[in-house]
This record gives sequence, C-alpha cells and structure tokens, in this order.
Amino acid sequence: DTGVSQDPRHKITKRGQNVTFRCDPISEHNRLYWYRQTLGQGPEFLTYFQNEAQLEKSRLLSDRFSAERPKGSFSTLEIQRTEQGDSAMYLCASSLPGVSEQYFGPGTRLTVT
Amino acid sequence: AQSVTQPDIHITVSEGASLELRCNYSYGATPYLFWYVQSPGQGLQLLLKYFSGDTLVQGIKGFEAEFKRSQSSFNLRKPSVHWSDAAEYFCAVAPTTDSWGKLQFGAGTQVVVTP
Repeated sequence: DTGVSQDPRHKITKRGQNVTFRCDPISEHNRLYWYRQTLGQGPEFLTYFQNEAQLEKSRLLSDRFSAERPKGSFSTLEIQRTEQGDSAMYLCASSLPGVSEQYFGPGTRLTVT
Repeated sequence: AQSVTQPDIHITVSEGASLELRCNYSYGATPYLFWYVQSPGQGLQLLLKYFSGDTLVQGIKGFEAEFKRSQSSFNLRKPSVHWSDAAEYFCAVAPTTDSWGKLQFGAGTQVVVTP
C-alpha cells in the first residue's frame, strides 16, 4: 500500500476561479478527513466521511466549499470562487473505524493570486 | 473552550542533546492524545499516541511522551536528537466523546538541530 495520495501537490489559481483537489485514501480505510493548514498553524478540521456519507462539516467550510466521496473510495474537495484567504495547505487523512490513527497525505498547497 | 496549546513556537537544540516539547490541553474529560511530526514536503507522520493505560508511551524514532493528568499535559521527549529530527511537531487531541475521531491540533513547535 502506498499510503494516502493527494493530487495535485501544488495549485496556483487566480482569485475567483474554481479549484478541485483529489484524495485517495488507504484502500481499507473507510474514514476520510479533510483538514486545512495555514502558515504557522496546526491543521484545522474541515470535514469527515465515513464511507460515502459526509457526517460532519466544520464552520470553516463555507458555502463555497464542497466535498464528496461518491463511491466511498477517493474524495474531492472543490472550492468555488476562490479568495486569497483560501491560500493554504489542504490535507487529507484516512483511518479505520473508531478513534484510531489517521494517516495523512502530503497535502495540496493552494496559492490564490 | 476546548484547546490544545504548544507553548514553544521554536526550539533550537544541539545534535546529541535531549529534547522536550510541551503540550497542554483543556478539555472536559481526558481526550485521546497524539504527537505528529511534519517534515518539509512530507505529510504528517504519527509518532505516538495515548488512549489509556501506562502514562509513559513509546513511539517511533526514539521518541516517548508522558501523560500527566494533573497537569493536563502530554510532553514529548527524546534523549538524544539527530539532525534528521529537525521538523515541525504537532500535538493533537481527539475528544473521547466524539467517536468520529476528528483531531484538534496545537499550533506546532519548529525544531532546529544544530551541529
């Protein structure tokens, strides 16, 4: 198993554009998490899936953000009408059921110009 | 409000010296506790975790952490650091009342290792 993968690793976009990130979790993990990390801060929870069901969304996830996990495998995070404040590292993690270790991907660094 | 505090933003340590990173939490009940390390260009890697039982926890790469309930602390230690330990370290907690396991992270401590 190659671990959690994320694509792209870097994305530069202009303000107002839409962007989509993809996360492929470890294959047997049914839980998938998205976090956002800004410079000098620890990651902040955005949303969580168990299989294909999105079970919780943070207040950080405004209406411009949407996440999906259509078949309970990979997940996508879309940001519409990007703003400069969206510039951050977007991290994906996966885990087995219960409170257990979360395995993180390398992240997608978004820069909004 | 629930919080995780890492009081030291930046620590410089000589190679071969000991290292201790502090973590304090404020929660209604003792949460599950984790330490992660993040190297440039790498994802977060779990060093160790505490769920219950022995309050001294051994992790990977020679790290250990001690849970002290009375101090609401979970400090990370390494007896002798290597240059490869230079990285950012994050303490994280997951509430025991939340079966979903989402993590709340501290702001991190940047560790610089000098020759």
